[in-house]
Amino acid sequence: DTGVSQDPRHKITKRGQNVTFRCDPISEHNRLYWYRQTLGQGPEFLTYFQNEAQLEKSRLLSDRFSAERPKGSFSTLEIQRTEQGDSAMYLCASSLAGDGANVLTFGAGSRLTVL
Amino acid sequence: GDSVTQMEGPVTLSEEAFLTINCTYTATGYPSLFWYVQYPGEGLQLLLKATKADDKGSNKGFEATYRKETTSFHLEKGSVQVSDSAVYFCAPPNNFNKFYFGSGTKLNVKP
Repeated sequence: DTGVSQDPRHKITKRGQNVTFRCDPISEHNRLYWYRQTLGQGPEFLTYFQNEAQLEKSRLLSDRFSAERPKGSFSTLEIQRTEQGDSAMYLCASSLAGDGANVLTFGAGSRLTVL
Repeated sequence: GDSVTQMEGPVTLSEEAFLTINCTYTATGYPSLFWYVQYPGEGLQLLLKATKADDKGSNKGFEATYRKETTSFHLEKGSVQVSDSAVYFCAPPNNFNKFYFGSGTKLNVKP
């Protein structure tokens, strides 16, 4: 297993454009999480899935953000009409549900720069 | 809601010095506690964990004991190395499915 993969690693876009990030979790992990991290800060929870169901969304997630996990495997995070304040590192993590749920395995992240 | 207070950085130490990074938390239940580490240019990775009160987690020479009476989970290492330079995150009680990460403490170890 190659761990959690995220793509692209870096995206530069102009304000107002849409961007999409993809996350491929560890294959046997049924939980998938999205976090956002800005410089000098810890990761902030955005949303998470158990299998294909999106179980929670943070209030930080505006209507411009949408996440999907259509088949319970990979996930996408789309940001519409990007703003400069969206510039951050978007982190994906996965875990097993149950006793092992507390251990998150993170991907390397997708860095978004909005000009 | 749950929150964590983590020692602010950056912390600069000489190689072989003793390290303590303080972390205290508020909790609404009986949590598991974690320290994650982020090396330069890499993603976060689990450093160690403790799953119940008085439990000690350890890994790579780092240790942390879950002190329920003081709601603390301080990270310690007896002799740091340059390769330990990273940002350390205290991850307090898991509200069942999401982690609340602290602000992180950047550690710089000088040779």
